[in-house]
Formats: sequence, C-alpha cells, structure tokens
Amino acid sequence: QSSLTQPPSASGTPGQRVTISCSGSNSNIGTNRVNWYQQLPGTAPTLLIYSNTYRPSGVPDRFSGSRSGTSASLAISGLQSEDEATYYCSTWDDSLIGVVFGGGTKVTVL
Amino acid sequence: QVHLVESGGGVVQPGRSLRLSCTASGFIFNKYAMHWVRQAPGKGLEWVAVIAYDGSHKYHADSVRGRSTISRDNPKNTLYLEMDSLTAEDTAMYYCAKGYVTYSSSSGMDVWGQGTPVTVSS
Repeated sequence: QSSLTQPPSASGTPGQRVTISCSGSNSNIGTNRVNWYQQLPGTAPTLLIYSNTYRPSGVPDRFSGSRSGTSASLAISGLQSEDEATYYCSTWDDSLIGVVFGGGTKVTVL
Repeated sequence: QVHLVESGGGVVQPGRSLRLSCTASGFIFNKYAMHWVRQAPGKGLEWVAVIAYDGSHKYHADSVRGRSTISRDNPKNTLYLEMDSLTAEDTAMYYCAKGYVTYSSSSGMDVWGQGTPVTVSS
C-alpha cells in the first residue's frame, strides 16, 4: 500500500484535459515538494514536474502541476496519443525518512 | 549529457546476495545525492535507498533495511547497492537515479538509468 494515493486509471480523448490527483499527509505532501514522473511503456521513468509546479526543459507546457495542503495534482491539457503512460507522484516523507511514491495512474487516450 | 548505467543484475537464488552498480557521467557526481528505486514486474515504483552526496548519511526503505546497503565511490563516479538474504519479493527492475538539487538528499530525481533486472529464483 502506497503512502500517496492516486487513482489507478484515467482517460480522455485527444484534445481533452485530464487531471490526476495525489493524496498524502502532513508528513509528506503537506511539508515537502511534489514531483511527478512519466513512465512510457517499457521504459524508465522520467521527471515530468518538479517542486510542485516546475517543468524540466523539454517538457511540453500542456503538463502542469499544483499542490494544496496535503494533496497535489497533475493536469494534462490538450491530451495527445503520446501521453499514454503511467504517471507517478512522489515526495519526501519526514516520518518515514525516505521517498514515497503514489501507486501510479495509467492514462489512456481513447 | 548526463548518463547513468546500471549493472550487476541477473538471476540469483533465494537467500543469496547481490551487488548492483551504477556508473555516472556528464555531471559532477560528488555534488548530488543518489537513489535506488525498484519496480516489480507489472507493479509501481518503490523507493529503495538514498545516499548523501558525500556518503555521510544513508536511508533505506523498511522493506530492505537491515539487509541492504547503499554506498558510493565518488572518485570512481559509481553508486552501489548490496542486498543480502534475497527473496522472490526482491525480483524487480532496479533503477539508479540522480537527485536534482545539489547537496540535498530529499529532493526528487531528475535523471534515471535504464535499469538492471534482478530475478530471485531457484
């Protein structure tokens, strides 16, 4: 059981907006910055969003992140077929003294 | 270009030990914390361990604490993970990853290797 809770799946048609939630607690999201990773099928994860809202160079601006209290969310606007992947939220947990991941959300483009 | 290459994976019998390595290039290795993350077949990501940029402190996940050790050799730009008393539950792809904030062990990871597979089976 993951320390961070994500819905197992999400879907949308091309061009739609999809939002993925990530719920945590005071010891993790409530205190530390959230990162999001994208894992395309059969490949290693890549950093998609860091420090709650920032995009690494090369990440399209249709990806955005936010955090409020003990929850965070990732939004994909203008959904594209290449966005089919599993998305993980992650942060540091001060109680566990380590990194925690959400269970992952598989995004399907219909 | 930042590059991480894991090695040392393979098929291991239950109860045996394994040492994984991760060779880094393209960045100043001794300025960044380094992590190990694993992924069991068909499952999500599971953080394993982190080591500070200078090796001064290390943290391990509960699932491996006491039977695994993360270490690094900064002059060789290499990260290690030693695991003992392996069980089938340790079967996974093991990734090394670089912290993205200099000198911080609690930041996220901005670069990942391609992983090395570990299968624990008799």
